[in-house]
Parts: sequence; structure tokens; C-alpha cells
Amino acid sequence: DAGVIQSPRHEVTEMGQEVTLRCKPISGHNSLFWYRQTMMRGLELLIYFNNNVPIDDSGMPEDRFSAKMPNASFSTLKIQPSEPRDSAVYFCASSLSRGKYFGPGTRLTVT
Amino acid sequence: KQEVTQIPAALSVPEGENLVLNCSFTDSAIYNLQWFRQDPGKGLTSLLLIQSSQREQTSGRLNASLDKSSGRSTLYIAASQPGDSATYLCAVEDTDKLIFGTGTRLQVFP
Repeated sequence: DAGVIQSPRHEVTEMGQEVTLRCKPISGHNSLFWYRQTMMRGLELLIYFNNNVPIDDSGMPEDRFSAKMPNASFSTLKIQPSEPRDSAVYFCASSLSRGKYFGPGTRLTVT
Repeated sequence: KQEVTQIPAALSVPEGENLVLNCSFTDSAIYNLQWFRQDPGKGLTSLLLIQSSQREQTSGRLNASLDKSSGRSTLYIAASQPGDSATYLCAVEDTDKLIFGTGTRLQVFP
């Protein structure tokens, strides 16, 4: 099994630009999670999906952030427009019943 | 609101020592508790998962215990090695979500 796949691994962009992060969960998993990790706040849950339906998006910081899961094998997290304070590592995780399996993360730098 | 705390925040020990990392949580109504390892600049590797009905789990030199009533979990690392150097994160599963602690940064020196 390839595990959770995230792309890109690194993204550097200028303030105001649109950023799209991508995630492919483990095949057969029915829940998908987006987390953000910063030095100041640690790991925070942004949003999670169950069977492709968003269940809890209370962690999404503001309207500039949006996430979609058009099918069971793909999800995107979009930031538009990006700001320097969005700089962080964004992790995607998936699960079926027990435990969460994390991808390698996308390191986003907004200048 | 569930809060997860890890003590100590950082730990530096000589190789060979037995270690105990602590995790506490405020709401005992959890489904699972999971311990992760994170190497610098890397993702999270799952070490142990303890279901709410279990008291402990073991994997090699690692042993994790769970006491829901007191809101505590400990990760025991036997005979520590330099390769164990990493940040260790505790996370409790609240409904379907993981709530993370701030981690313990461990350094094991030769």
C-alpha cells in the first residue's frame, strides 16, 4: 500500500496567490482529515470528510480556506487568497475504523 | 472542549535509559488514544493505538498505557537509543477527530 499521498511536498507562493493542496487517501478508507501544523499552535484539525461528505469544518480558519472531496480517492484544500500567516505544514490523514494514517505533509511558505 | 497536555515538553537523556512520557486529557469520553512519532521535517508515524476498552499496548521496546478515569496515558520506552530521538505526540480520538497534545521532544545522546 502506498499510504496517504500528498502533493506538492513543498509550495512557495506570493501573498494573494491561490494555493491548492492535494491528497489521495489510502484505498478503502472512508474518512479523510486535513490538519495544519505550526510552531505556535501545534497540530490543528481543519476539516474532515466521511464518505466524501464534509462532517466538521469548524477548524477552517476563515472563508479563504475551502476543501472538497469529489470522490473517495481525492481531496483538495484550497487557499484563496493566500497570506503569510498561512505558512505551515498541511497534513492529510485517512482512516477506516481504528487509527489515523498521515501523509508526509505539504510545507507551504507564503511570502 | 477536550484539551491534551504532554509532559515534559523536552527531554534529553543518555543512551540506555528507560523513559516515561506523559499525556493527560480533560474529557475521559474518548474512543481511542494514539501515540505518534515525528522526525524533524517529516510526517507522523503511528506507534501505538489503544482502544478505550484496553489498558495498554506493546510494540517492541514501546509500551503505552491508558487510564481513562484519570485522563492519563504514558508511553514507556525501554533501553533508549539515539535513533529514538524525535518528537512524540499523543492524540485522543473524540468522536471521529484526533485532538493532539503539543508533544515531547526527545533527544537520546550516545
